[in-house]
Amino acid sequence: EADIYQTPRYLVIGTGKKITLECSQTMGHDKMYWYQQDPGMELHLIHYSYGVNSTEKGDLSSESTVSRIRTEHFPLTLESARPSHTSQYLCASSEQGLNEKLFFGSGTQLSVL
Amino acid sequence: DQQVKQNSPSLSVQEGRISILNCDYTNSMFDYFLWYKKYPAEGPTFLISISSIKDKNEDGRFTVFLNKSAKHLSLHIVPSQPGDSAVYFCAAFDSGTYKYIFGTGTRLKVLA
Repeated sequence: EADIYQTPRYLVIGTGKKITLECSQTMGHDKMYWYQQDPGMELHLIHYSYGVNSTEKGDLSSESTVSRIRTEHFPLTLESARPSHTSQYLCASSEQGLNEKLFFGSGTQLSVL
Repeated sequence: DQQVKQNSPSLSVQEGRISILNCDYTNSMFDYFLWYKKYPAEGPTFLISISSIKDKNEDGRFTVFLNKSAKHLSLHIVPSQPGDSAVYFCAAFDSGTYKYIFGTGTRLKVLA
């Protein structure tokens, strides 16, 4: 049902590398979100966007950055990965109105060695 | 300071019985609530939602109850099936910020 795609699904990299996690949706949703989730913890909002050229930092401090040049694309970049960045990263989107469902991608499981 | 709380980290239920997952919230401005199911290393999938103007919403084996005065909602799954074993997240939509606030999840295990 959900047409939101994340790549890669799994990524293992060394400390100091620059990485970009890709997220694309084909539903034409204006609102997009990045969450970070660790086992046993809530989903923490790290970035969100209300539309093209709109990006905001979320509630959890993050060293990552995002961009929203096209409606369907919301990539997340880490300039210099550290072991503390090891986590699951979840991209989501929703329609513009109130009380809308949030659709999630399959997630990227990132391990930084 | 968590605005959405799921106080039971885990729950085990026998197949065929009812599973009841609970969620409490603190912000009375929340007016839309959602339940998601999540398997390890996958993204959450939407299960059911409820608006604050209702106190019950049903979809097949899943029913969500909302008690606004107690700031409490619950998800009932009946009958429970082994395939229901997953982590269940409660979420609230903040219409003031357009953000979705999630609880810490409850791991449900349905025993065959």
